[in-house]
Amino acid sequence: AQTVTQSQPEMSVQEAETVTLSCTYDTSESDYYLFWYKQPPSRQMILVIRQEAYKQQNATENRFSVNFQKAAKSFSLKISDSQLGDAAMYFCAYRGAYSGAGSYQLTFGKGTKLSVIP
Amino acid sequence: ETGVTQTPRHLVMGMTNKKSLKCEQHLGHNAMYWYKQSAKKPLELMFVYNFKEQTENNSVPSRFSPECPNSSHLFLHLHTLQPEDSALYLCASSTDRQGLYEQYFGPGTRLTVT
Repeated sequence: AQTVTQSQPEMSVQEAETVTLSCTYDTSESDYYLFWYKQPPSRQMILVIRQEAYKQQNATENRFSVNFQKAAKSFSLKISDSQLGDAAMYFCAYRGAYSGAGSYQLTFGKGTKLSVIP
Repeated sequence: ETGVTQTPRHLVMGMTNKKSLKCEQHLGHNAMYWYKQSAKKPLELMFVYNFKEQTENNSVPSRFSPECPNSSHLFLHLHTLQPEDSALYLCASSTDRQGLYEQYFGPGTRLTVT
């Protein structure tokens, strides 16, 4: 079974600075997808960024980028120029092989609570 | 309405009550999911439906009963719950169309069992 580990329960960053959130995963599959989700205090979980395992290039979405190390099974999220609105729980998630009948299961880490200091 | 909506946003119920949670997705997706989110624990997948058919039941107690009348609506019927069932219940949807692999989540229902 796949597992996702986020080793940092809490992190803090100064506004405008850069922070990196860690995620490691365990899988025997070669084809999979990785995601970072953000859950602000209002609770709506939203997708921040995704990475296809077959792509060597790290995904980037504006101030958010990932460092994907497939051999090490590591998938960290870097937030540049941190803003107050970035404060939230961040969840790393793994989507493995097709689970059949048009649906896919996600395995989530426990999350990292990010605080942004003005 | 856009995205995934859930009602009610908050629910307090006694252990002998019967209530239902509702989820609706406006994205044209075919798969819908129920998750339980408890403090300090990873999200737990409860049920998966695809085109109204249940494809996953992750050993969820029978006091939780899902219903999916069509691809846009998903319900979670609750009866004789326990205090440890208090949690945030999240609904999500996804599609198997090429290139669109992520799940979209609703805002959740905060359930308190007294």
